[in-house]
Amino acid sequence: EVQLVESGGGLVQPGGSLRLSCAASGFTFSSYEMNWVRQAPGKGLEWLSYISSSGDTIYYADSVKGRFTISRDNAKNSLSLQMNSLRAEETAIYYCVCGGWLAYWGQGTLVTVSS
Amino acid sequence: DIQMTQSPSAMSASVGDRVTITCRASQGISNSLAWFQQKPGKVPKRLIHTASSLQSGVPSRFSGSGSGTEFTLTITSLQPEDFATYYCLQYNSYPRTFGQGTKVQIK
Repeated sequence: EVQLVESGGGLVQPGGSLRLSCAASGFTFSSYEMNWVRQAPGKGLEWLSYISSSGDTIYYADSVKGRFTISRDNAKNSLSLQMNSLRAEETAIYYCVCGGWLAYWGQGTLVTVSS
Repeated sequence: DIQMTQSPSAMSASVGDRVTITCRASQGISNSLAWFQQKPGKVPKRLIHTASSLQSGVPSRFSGSGSGTEFTLTITSLQPEDFATYYCLQYNSYPRTFGQGTKVQIK
C-alpha cells in the first residue's frame, strides 16, 4: 500500500523559512515522479512543484519559483520542500503527491505563516 | 499556462439526481484530465484519469467524458456520500493546473 507521510509543518513568521519532508513507503519510490500541492483554508488546490524520478527534471509554479526548492533522496525514500521568504497567504495544508497524474496523496502537513 | 475553468462553482442537488460538472481548458489538452473528489477535512481522492478512465474502486455512477478543451464529470444517481467538492486537473503540461472546484451540496 502506498504511504506518504508529510512532516515539518508548523508556525513560522512572515519572511521565515521551513523545510517540509515526505516519507514514502509501499512502492518503489525511485521509480516515481513526485509533486507538492497545497490548499489554503477554505480554498482550492494549487500545484506547486514537480520532480522527476531521478531528480533531473524540476518544475515550479510561478507563485513559488525562486523561493521554494524541491528535492528528493531516493536512497532514503524521501521528498523535501525547502520554503523560504514565506508569506501570510501561504498558510495552507501542504500535500506530498505521487505520480505525474497525482494519483496518491499524503495526509498533508499544516503550515501557518503568521506573526 | 493552461487555465482550467470549472462550472458551476456550486450546486444544490437531491439524492438520486443526475449531476454534471464541466471543465474547460484554455487550450487543447488531449485527454490529459483527471477528476478529484474532496470531502471536508479529507485528502483529495482521484476518481477519473485520462478524461474517462475510472479509478479502481470508484463506483460506476461516476463517469467522465471529453477531449481537447471540454470535459464533463457525471454522477448518474447522486448518493449521500457524494456530497463533496470536485476538482478537475490538467496534466498535459507544466505547470499543472486545477479548476477552481465545484461544491455539490444537499438541496
